[in-house]
Amino acid sequence: EDKVVQSPLSLVVHEGDTVTLNCSYEVTNFRSLLWYKQEKKAPTFLFMLTSSGIEKKSGRLSSILDKKELFSILNITATQTGDSAVYLCAVEGGNEKLTFGTGTRLTIIP
Amino acid sequence: DAGVTQSPTHLIKTRGQQVTLRCSPKSGHDTVSWYQQALGQGPQFIFQYYEEEERQRGNFPDRFSGHQFPNYSSELNVNALLLGDSALYLCASSLTGGSGYGYTFGSGTRLTVV
Repeated sequence: EDKVVQSPLSLVVHEGDTVTLNCSYEVTNFRSLLWYKQEKKAPTFLFMLTSSGIEKKSGRLSSILDKKELFSILNITATQTGDSAVYLCAVEGGNEKLTFGTGTRLTIIP
Repeated sequence: DAGVTQSPTHLIKTRGQQVTLRCSPKSGHDTVSWYQQALGQGPQFIFQYYEEEERQRGNFPDRFSGHQFPNYSSELNVNALLLGDSALYLCASSLTGGSGYGYTFGSGTRLTVV
């Protein structure tokens, strides 16, 4: 059975800090690892990673995948209050379904 | 470009009742997956529909059933509601054979069972 574990479960930091969110996984026939941001309801797509060692960047957010050690990290630099959300990590296996972790709840204090 | 549309947005039901949730996929998508997200948890896969058939199913009891129509829209039915069924139900559409970029989520239906 596919499994995703995220850590920490919650994180409270001050605006301007840098945070690192962790995601480890076990999956049959790995296709991709995805990061989502969930503020209220619909998860919104951040990154998809398929290859090891290649960093994806979008503004202050970046992510990297290690397929040998089966984990990924999501970094957010110079955090802002608008970054407060739940960050979800999911893996897509060969059966084209997503398995999610519990999520990391990030709270940014002004 | 219409994304994924779910209805209703909120619903309150009594234990033992039955409920039907609806999902219209993004234009061009042919596959619909349903997820249950309990408070403080990540989304859990319920089942997936493709070509009007249930293609795969997660670890949910038979009280959870679904349907996909020829226009690719889908329904999730839950019978004999339990308090533990209270959750946010998310629908995600995708194109079979596509990449992970292609999952689009709806805003969900918040179901409360009292």
